[in-house]
Amino acid sequence: DQQVKQNSPSLSVQEGRISILNCDYTNSMFDYFLWYKKYPAEGPTFLISISSIKDKNEDGRFTVFLNKSAKHLSLHIVPSQPGDSAVYFCAAYPINTNAGKSTFGDGTTLTVKP
Amino acid sequence: GAGVSQSPRYKVTKRGQDVTLRCDPISSHATLYWYQQALGQGPEFLTYFNYEAQPDKSGLPSDRFSAERPEGSISTLTIQRTEQRDSAMYRCASSTGQRETQYFGPGTRLLVL
Repeated sequence: DQQVKQNSPSLSVQEGRISILNCDYTNSMFDYFLWYKKYPAEGPTFLISISSIKDKNEDGRFTVFLNKSAKHLSLHIVPSQPGDSAVYFCAAYPINTNAGKSTFGDGTTLTVKP
Repeated sequence: GAGVSQSPRYKVTKRGQDVTLRCDPISSHATLYWYQQALGQGPEFLTYFNYEAQPDKSGLPSDRFSAERPEGSISTLTIQRTEQRDSAMYRCASSTGQRETQYFGPGTRLLVL
């Protein structure tokens, strides 16, 4: 029973265009969400986060949108650059006593073509 | 330290042997996490520590798996009587606190023959 799902294993986008990566969750106790980026042979690195009290958070080219009613979040990258090619994971934390237990999706591999 | 380090980076062992993996977190970080990551999947939570306390070990697959952080800094993950299904990447991460940004190490790739 996957509580965090990234239904698109891969996404290919032309340089300069928008990349939209999606993530769905099922646990209504999740209240804090993060996106991580992973290059080959490296560990994931933090990209951007959003708390459930917000519906949008922006950091430069990266924006995360949260739709709580749909239990859906998305990461927008505009404009996409070849260096953005990586695996992107979304992760969620619950609000309850197990607040340290994060749950990750399986990742989406983004390829940005020059 | 400058980042999270893990050792060994690669470990090949025979089924039935015990293995111990080590994680050196960022020195100021209170919270340390262990994950298991299968190929093509995301990191799967095993356990975490706040300093030396271990509030949640619900993700450990069986009693063959155990983790320690006796002095609240370096941590070890031990797998006893390894099985082929234990083959995976084991990732460690640390953060300043619960729900804070996690900084991941490079991982230990374990292969059980």
